[in-house]
Amino acid sequence: AQTVTQSQPEMSVQEAETVTLSCTYDTSESNYYLFWYKQPPSRQMILVIRQEAYKQQNATENRFSVNFQKAAKSFSLKISDSQLGDTAMYFCAFMKGQGGSEKLVFGKGTKLTVNP
Amino acid sequence: DVKVTQSSRYLVKRTGEKVFLECVQDMDHENMFWYRQDPGLGLRLIYFSYDVKMKEKGDIPEGYSVSREKKERFSLILESASTNQTSMYLCASRSARSSGGAGELFFGEGSRLTVL
Repeated sequence: AQTVTQSQPEMSVQEAETVTLSCTYDTSESNYYLFWYKQPPSRQMILVIRQEAYKQQNATENRFSVNFQKAAKSFSLKISDSQLGDTAMYFCAFMKGQGGSEKLVFGKGTKLTVNP
Repeated sequence: DVKVTQSSRYLVKRTGEKVFLECVQDMDHENMFWYRQDPGLGLRLIYFSYDVKMKEKGDIPEGYSVSREKKERFSLILESASTNQTSMYLCASRSARSSGGAGELFFGEGSRLTVL
C-alpha cells in the first residue's frame, strides 16, 4: 500500500519570504501522480499543483513550484513571495496509475501560517 | 466552474440516530468520494464511487454506507451514529475522462458532524 508522509505538522513564514513544505511517499509503482492541495481556513480544498512521475521537469504554477526527486521519493512544495492568503492546511497526495478512476492517498497535512 | 455542494455545513446528532450526508456535483463527473478529516490524521477515504450504482470501500468504511442512484448525487449514510464519528466529512468529485491524465479532485465545503 502506498503511504504519504508530511513530517512538518505546522510551519510559519513571514510575508514575502519563501517556504518549503516537505512530503515523502512510499510506492513500488512506476507510473503515478503527485499533488499538493490547499485548504484555507473554513474554505474548500483546492488543487495547487500536480506532477506526473514520468516527467522529469518539476511542475510550477506561478509562485508555487515543486522539487520532485523520484529516486528519493520526495515531493516538496516551495512557495515563493508568501502572501497572507497562502495561510492554509496543505496536503500532499499520491495517486497510482495513469489517471482514470484511481483513488488518492493523502498525507496528514501541514498547517502553514503566513505572518504579516 | 465546477460546483460540489454538501447539503449541511453543520449537523448535531444523537448517538444511535441515522444520519444522511448528501453531496451533489454539477459537472457530470463519474467519480465521487467521501473523505473524513480529523486533526493530525489528514484525509481518510471512507467510500468512493466510479459511476452510478457502483461503489467501493475505502480505508475506513466501518460504520458507514453509501448510495449513488444518480450520477450527480453521492450520499453517505451513518446507520447508527456514534460519538467516534464526530468529524469533518468532505465530498469530492472528479472526471474519469480528463485529457492529459489524472483529473483534479473538486471538493465541497465540508460537513461538520457532532454526535452527542
